[in-house]
Amino acid sequence: KQEVTQIPAALSVPEGENLVLNCSFTDSAIYNLQWFRQDPGKGLTSLLLIQSSQREQTSGRLNASLDKSSGRSTLYIAASQPGDSATYLCAVTDYKLSFGAGTTVTVRA
Amino acid sequence: SQTIHQWPATLVQPVGSPLSLECTVEGTSNPNLYWYRQAAGRGLQLLFYSVGIGQISSEVPQNLSASRPQDRQFILSSKKLLLSDSGFYLCAWSPLAGLNEQFFGPGTRLTVL
Repeated sequence: KQEVTQIPAALSVPEGENLVLNCSFTDSAIYNLQWFRQDPGKGLTSLLLIQSSQREQTSGRLNASLDKSSGRSTLYIAASQPGDSATYLCAVTDYKLSFGAGTTVTVRA
Repeated sequence: SQTIHQWPATLVQPVGSPLSLECTVEGTSNPNLYWYRQAAGRGLQLLFYSVGIGQISSEVPQNLSASRPQDRQFILSSKKLLLSDSGFYLCAWSPLAGLNEQFFGPGTRLTVL
């Protein structure tokens, strides 16, 4: 059974600092890994999708890396802003999507 | 572009009452459809998924059922709600083929009293 872990569970940083969010998974036989953002009481917004054959994906200030052999992914958010405050979830796809519990980020102005 | 709708947005129901949550997708055909539950302080749990009309797979045994009467409609139901059914229910879709990226609806907050 796939287990997805996100550390830390919560993170508070001053505005402008770079964010580093970690995700680990137990079974490396995945098709892809997806990072989501969730605002309180809202649905999930897809941020980045990394195929299993890829090492990283970038979108604006966001960069996600994938090391499938070690079962790790990292989401980098450059120059954080208060609007980046949210919960960030990673999920891996084998035959279904398995989610981590998320990292709740607070960016202080 | 594709859009996914869920309703109602919030629902408060007594224990033992029935439930019907609806999800519809616009702008795509033959999507894979999913129901997830997010309990307070916990991760998302896949409840059901469907690869076509009338085709439902259940991930966990529970008090809930799902149906797909039309290609882009997915319904989550219960005959008698339990307190433990409270949570945030999310519907998602993914293309039938391709990258398998999933896109989520706005969710329904269900409180069972």
